[in-house]
Amino acid sequence: DTEVTQTPKHLVMGMTNKKSLKCEQHMGHRAMYWYKQKAKKPPELMFVYSYEKLSINESVPSRFSPECPNSSLLNLHLHALQPEDSALYLCASSQRWLAGATYQETQYFGPGTRLLVL
Amino acid sequence: SQQGEEDPQALSIQEGENATMNCSYKTSINNLQWYRQNSGRGLVHLILIRSNEREKHSGRLRVTLDTSKKSSSLLITASRAADTASYFCATDEEGGSTLGRLYFGRGTQLTVWP
Repeated sequence: DTEVTQTPKHLVMGMTNKKSLKCEQHMGHRAMYWYKQKAKKPPELMFVYSYEKLSINESVPSRFSPECPNSSLLNLHLHALQPEDSALYLCASSQRWLAGATYQETQYFGPGTRLLVL
Repeated sequence: SQQGEEDPQALSIQEGENATMNCSYKTSINNLQWYRQNSGRGLVHLILIRSNEREKHSGRLRVTLDTSKKSSSLLITASRAADTASYFCATDEEGGSTLGRLYFGRGTQLTVWP
C-alpha cells in the first residue's frame, strides 16, 4: 500500500470557523509533511513531523496548528483563517533509508484538500 | 535559497513527440527527484537520481544530472495526451537537515495535444 489519503477533498469555511484536515498513511513511514500550494506554484513546506515530533515549522501562522497523534496520522487544525489561506493543502510521507553514504528521500503525496476560505 | 528553476515554464507538443524539461539548482545535493502533478491533484513521484549518477531511465522517462552545472533534464519520449501535467524537480541539500526537506522548482506545464 503506497497510498496517502486525505480528507476532506474539498472544504469551504468562514473566517470564524474551526476545521481540521486529516492525513493517513500505512506505509510505516516515520516522516510526515504538510504543504500549501497555490495555483500554478510549487508546493510550499509548512510542517515536518519526524517520529511523531514536530521537527520543522516554516514560520507558519498560529492559525494553522499541526498534530501527529500517531505514526500513521497527521492532522492540520485550522482556526480564524484568512481568504488568502485558500489553497490546495497536501500531505506527504517518507521513510529515509541509507544507500551507501547518501540519504535518499522519496515523498509520497496525498491527493490534497482544496480549501476555500470565505 | 536552494529553490530550483525550471525551463521552460510551459511546453506544448503533439502526441508522439518528445518533451524535454530542464531544472537548475543552486547548492550541492544528495539527490534530485522529478514529480508530476495533474491539475488540482497530488504529486506523483516519477524518478530519483543520486548525485553520483549521470543518467537514469524509467519506462519512457530519461533523466540526466550534471552536478558540475547544477542542472538536470527530464525527457519524456513518445508523449501521450495523458502526460499532460505539471512537472516539478525537487532537490535536497547536501549536508543539510536529515529530515528530507525538499526544495521544489517552479514547475513546467506540459500540454500534449492529441
